[in-house]
Amino acid sequence: RKEVEQDPGPFNVPEGATVAFNCTYSNSASQSFFWYRQDCRKEPKLLMSVYSSGNEDGRFTAQLNRASQYISLLIRDSKLSDSATYLCVVNLGGGDKLIFGTGTRLQVFP
Amino acid sequence: GAVVSQHPSWVICKSGTSVKIECRSLDFQATTMFWYRQFPKQSLMLMATSNEGSKATYEQGVEKDKFLINHASLTLSTLTVTSAHPEDSSFYICSARNRDYGYTFGSGTRLTVV
Repeated sequence: RKEVEQDPGPFNVPEGATVAFNCTYSNSASQSFFWYRQDCRKEPKLLMSVYSSGNEDGRFTAQLNRASQYISLLIRDSKLSDSATYLCVVNLGGGDKLIFGTGTRLQVFP
Repeated sequence: GAVVSQHPSWVICKSGTSVKIECRSLDFQATTMFWYRQFPKQSLMLMATSNEGSKATYEQGVEKDKFLINHASLTLSTLTVTSAHPEDSSFYICSARNRDYGYTFGSGTRLTVV
């Protein structure tokens, strides 16, 4: 079983749509959780950290369910510029390595 | 903010030759450097973790004699792919960790071995 699993997509949505991505992780000792965005042939960039209480950053909302070992990302009012691969990332804490999911590809069309 | 400069951004080399990739942290000290590899349509896979002044810790299945990592200073880490073969063609990315800035990624190196 992969340590971090995501639906690879692609998700093809029109501008203005709301889209949700899910992710599950296998190690219950995971301490930190993130969503990264990766554009084609570029390095991943941190989109947002994910906190137990859930958190929002503009059009982006992240949720964490530790009991189910499940993380989600909701994007509202999709823009063309949101087209990218979204990577779910977990970490055991203490400066340990980041463990990446395979990513979910999003394509927003006009 | 924290910046990691990674060079080269792309390289084409002949089979059997060696390629060195450098990552420099420009305005902070990287206590730990992580080296990742990403094949097309796959995620980033950690190859090794290095701390300044000590030997790198390699992930299972990664040959330490083939992928040489040097982290001689707090601002420079290098990955050398020795005797490269076409199956080593991939996107290599470094990530520097610092207590103040968290994880900062280099811009990646696209290696093509012909």
